[in-house]
Amino acid sequence: GAGVSQTPSNKVTEKGKYVELRCDPISGHTALYWYRQSLGQGPEFLIYFQGTGAADDSGLPNDRFFAVRPEGSVSTLKIQRTERGDSAVYLCASSSGPGEKLFFGSGTQLSVL
Amino acid sequence: DQQVKQNSPSLSVQEGRISILNCDYTNSMFDYFLWYKKYPAEGPTFLISISSIKDKNEDGRFTVFLNKSAKHLSLHIVPSQPGDSAVYFCAASEQGGGADGLTFGKGTHLIIQP
Repeated sequence: GAGVSQTPSNKVTEKGKYVELRCDPISGHTALYWYRQSLGQGPEFLIYFQGTGAADDSGLPNDRFFAVRPEGSVSTLKIQRTERGDSAVYLCASSSGPGEKLFFGSGTQLSVL
Repeated sequence: DQQVKQNSPSLSVQEGRISILNCDYTNSMFDYFLWYKKYPAEGPTFLISISSIKDKNEDGRFTVFLNKSAKHLSLHIVPSQPGDSAVYFCAASEQGGGADGLTFGKGTHLIIQP
């Protein structure tokens, strides 16, 4: 499709496990963003990539969270030693460059039991 | 500390009437403001934006007003239609028009009643 694709759409895991969430941005979009939306809250910024490099990772809550974008296209958000408080919808967005409109994917609903 | 506040969790409006969604912010460095609309199980979609050098931006049925001195913006939808029922998020940026690291409010659930 032409939009931002996120997989899986739902992920259920146990406390302490490792998870990877994938984002496939719109083709040609150089900027990629990860957000987290907890129940009853707005999306919360996590990290921003311009090309392959993380231009701003100030929103990552702690060192259990890590994201990569090795070829400047697909990105993976990695969460180690998951905790129940990590349960949320993880949203990915892309844009054609800094300052351009963001296009969001449908998100991955992560549930940590 | 919420830098972008949407104090109404929900709003119910009759079809055909005007819907007014409000948003307040505390960070005086914000210079670009956006509204996003979100349906269940979908990601937010961009609706309309405004730069701090303007006080109004209009796009069809949607108008955003910005009052910088009051640090307040509002989204007007007129006339409201059933398809407008969704959660609306106000977002702000201090990057001079950049979308880096948008700060979102908690959202307002707009319900359009037939």
